[in-house]
Amino acid sequence: QKEVEQDPGPLSVPEGAIVSLNCTYSNSAFQYFMWYRQYSRKGPELLMYTYSSGNKEDGRFTAQVDKSSKYISLFIRDSQPSDSATYLCAMDRLTGTASKLTFGTGTRLQVTL
Amino acid sequence: EPEVTQTPSHQVTQMGQEVILRCVPISNHLYFYWYRQILGQKVEFLVSFYNNEISEKSEIFDDQFSVERPDGSNFTLKIRSTKLEDSAMYFCASSAVLGSNQPQHFGDGTRLSIL
Repeated sequence: QKEVEQDPGPLSVPEGAIVSLNCTYSNSAFQYFMWYRQYSRKGPELLMYTYSSGNKEDGRFTAQVDKSSKYISLFIRDSQPSDSATYLCAMDRLTGTASKLTFGTGTRLQVTL
Repeated sequence: EPEVTQTPSHQVTQMGQEVILRCVPISNHLYFYWYRQILGQKVEFLVSFYNNEISEKSEIFDDQFSVERPDGSNFTLKIRSTKLEDSAMYFCASSAVLGSNQPQHFGDGTRLSIL
């Protein structure tokens, strides 16, 4: 079983739709959970960062973590064409003196007009 | 907003040659990382670096790889004798502190093509 599983998509939605992106994980040692957005030929850009179960909201984005189910989600409200990108979930455990991110494969999102 | 910068954006190298990828982390950050992303695959951890030494490295980071912070601003990844399978995007990241408050911020990467 992979440590982090993420549906690769592609996911195509009309402008204004609510988007739900999900990842599951198998390692209970993961303590911190992130969502990054990656545009073509660019690096991962941090969107959300959470470390406890529950919801965290930032503008049109909501990150949800359920540690008991080992499941995290990112919701995008009122999606825009500019949201078209690949969304990467990433997880972190503290090992010794440094952190180490484990990424999902990424979900490619296309928001159409 | 401060950002991580990487140079060059694209590096083409003959197999067997040495290559150095350069990064300027965010200025007040203390922890530095390299990741790679082979085309169509996920981003993978290579190495973390703190206080002028490697904190952790993955199985990918073998003796052909080395990292260095030659001065107060640069952080480099050297591949001593490149192989075809080293072709990938290489991302540098930095963070201010461990864990709870400061996650990793990434540069836009160097695309390494081995011929």
